[in-house]
Amino acid sequence: RKEVEQDPGPFNVPEGATVAFNCTYSNSASQSFFWYRQDCRKEPKLLMSVYSSGNEDGRFTAQLNRASQYISLLIRDSKLSDSATYLCVVSTSGGSYIPTFGRGTSLIVHP
Amino acid sequence: DTGVSQDPRHKITKRGQNVTFRCDPISEHNRLYWYRQTLGQGPEFLTYFQNEAQLEKSRLLSDRFSAERPKGSFSTLEIQRTEQGDSAMYLCASIEGETQYFGPGTRLLVL
Repeated sequence: RKEVEQDPGPFNVPEGATVAFNCTYSNSASQSFFWYRQDCRKEPKLLMSVYSSGNEDGRFTAQLNRASQYISLLIRDSKLSDSATYLCVVSTSGGSYIPTFGRGTSLIVHP
Repeated sequence: DTGVSQDPRHKITKRGQNVTFRCDPISEHNRLYWYRQTLGQGPEFLTYFQNEAQLEKSRLLSDRFSAERPKGSFSTLEIQRTEQGDSAMYLCASIEGETQYFGPGTRLLVL
């Protein structure tokens, strides 16, 4: 079983739709969680951190469920510019900080 | 532009040749990470440095791979006797806290 698993998609949604992605992780000692966005043939960029209490940034909401070991990303009112791959990143704290990436979920927003 | 640069951006080489990539991180960041990313996958951790000290190496980093960070500034990743399976995007990231700032990557093609 992979340490971090994501549905690769693609998720094809119309503009204005709400879409949600999940990411499951296997290491119960994981402490830090992030969503990164990666555009085609570009480098990943931090979208948002995921806190235990959940967090929201505009149209984006991230949540953590420690009991079931998954994090989620909700995008409301999708824009064409949201089309990208969304990478889930999980790491343990203390000692060496080694982030583990999921394979990413591809989102395509169409007119 | 994240402030992290990588050189070259593209490299085509023949199997068996040696290649070297360079990463210039954000100057005030002490930690620097190298990843490899293949099509349809997330970045896979290779190694990381705290200043000039190489603290962790992935089992993915065979003895054909070596990385250095002299003086704790820029870093180099060398692949000796390249194989076709080495074809990938090689990304470096400069870390502040737990936020990773990625360079644009070096895309390697081994023929």
